[in-house]
Amino acid sequence: KAGVTQTPRYLIKTRGQQVTLSCSPISGHRSVSWYQQTPGQGLQFLFEYFSETQRNKGNFPGRFSGRQFSNSRSEMNVSTLELGDSALYLCASSPGLAGGGDTQYFGPGTRLTVL
Amino acid sequence: SQQGEEDPQALSIQEGENATMNCSYKTSINNLQWYRQNSGRGLVHLILIRSNEREKHSGRLRVTLDTSKKSSSLLITASRAADTASYFCATLKAAGNKLTFGGGTRVLVKP
Repeated sequence: KAGVTQTPRYLIKTRGQQVTLSCSPISGHRSVSWYQQTPGQGLQFLFEYFSETQRNKGNFPGRFSGRQFSNSRSEMNVSTLELGDSALYLCASSPGLAGGGDTQYFGPGTRLTVL
Repeated sequence: SQQGEEDPQALSIQEGENATMNCSYKTSINNLQWYRQNSGRGLVHLILIRSNEREKHSGRLRVTLDTSKKSSSLLITASRAADTASYFCATLKAAGNKLTFGGGTRVLVKP
């Protein structure tokens, strides 16, 4: 099976703009989670989608949002970009067993730079 | 905020030696997972240990879990230069797939 794919791989934006990142999970996986990785804060959970519904949410402002489509592909959007949003954004997919708690498979990430 | 603390933050060893890193966490968990990351790329899942398990092996990896001490360790035996990476522990508390990561251990294996 193909792995988790994320597009684009690299992105440069300026403050105030908005950005949309895309994630295609492993075929058959129904759960998609998003994480932000920065040198200062490390890896932080953003949100998880399962069967098109947000199942878990991290402690990020409302500028960060996401959605999941019926084919399990997911997008996350960041509006009104700030310099501190520069980070590696990682998407992870998992089968989505009832209750969760299964192994997550990560994509290569999208490197976002905000100038 | 991060649930786990990893120790040491960095480790430098010679090829062939064993590498041990530790992870401590704060609250009760459903399972604990270890991941590897090479140079800011995606995370690679290494091993998952459930809260009712005490030890697990996968190839050259050995993971232990002590829920009474809220700690876990990852041992890499007979290390290779290709093991050079950052290693993260991540805990899962409840339903869903919200992982809480530690700060990571940077491992350098010198040939």
